[in-house]
Amino acid sequence: GAVVSQHPSWVICKSGTSVKIECRSLDFQATTMFWYRQFPKQSLMLMATSNEGSKATYEQGVEKDKFLINHASLTLSTLTVTSAHPEDSSFYICSARDPGALGVPTQYFGPGTRLTVL
Amino acid sequence: ELKVEQNPLFLSMQEGKNYTIYCNYSTTSDRLYWYRQDPGKSLESLFVLLSNGAVKQEGRLMASLDTKARLSTLHITAAVHDLSATYFCAGHMDSNYQLIWGAGTKLIIKP
Repeated sequence: GAVVSQHPSWVICKSGTSVKIECRSLDFQATTMFWYRQFPKQSLMLMATSNEGSKATYEQGVEKDKFLINHASLTLSTLTVTSAHPEDSSFYICSARDPGALGVPTQYFGPGTRLTVL
Repeated sequence: ELKVEQNPLFLSMQEGKNYTIYCNYSTTSDRLYWYRQDPGKSLESLFVLLSNGAVKQEGRLMASLDTKARLSTLHITAAVHDLSATYFCAGHMDSNYQLIWGAGTKLIIKP
């Protein structure tokens, strides 16, 4: 299957600082990427849909000024958590939508980034 | 609005046993996905089910889709410890490419 990478895999930062997380589709072009967060023992919560060349679409309750998303190319989307606070500590997972050779799209997931804010 | 419910949420079972995880969804979903997640890891795609009556098998896992009943099942045959993980089903909204997730089923298989 297709490969999606995320960087970094784990980051610990101080409260008030900003953290950037990268999501790359390695062997396909993704016009659409998704950013999720997952708290322990819970399901995934969609934060935003990232569209190449346009503004991201944020889910209700997600602050767009706090979680900045940039999808500058067909293989890269970035999520910047600005002025991070301990409550932002979570597991952040990106996925990239592969349109599929036979028209059956599949979302492939990155390995996730564990963010710990002290 | 599409909603997805999984049942059960937690399952502990012995090796060698069979069991089925159920995934009900509320409105039309043009496809149904099953994913596996190991602790501390991201998600691994298992199956994509596209049409009514679709059945897919990989090893000891078999997934099926009944669009009339709005039900997908993930059947585990002769479970082994390596299958211990959390399994998620997800419906798909073609209008915005979003996946709508079930709550997940945490499966523990004891030797």
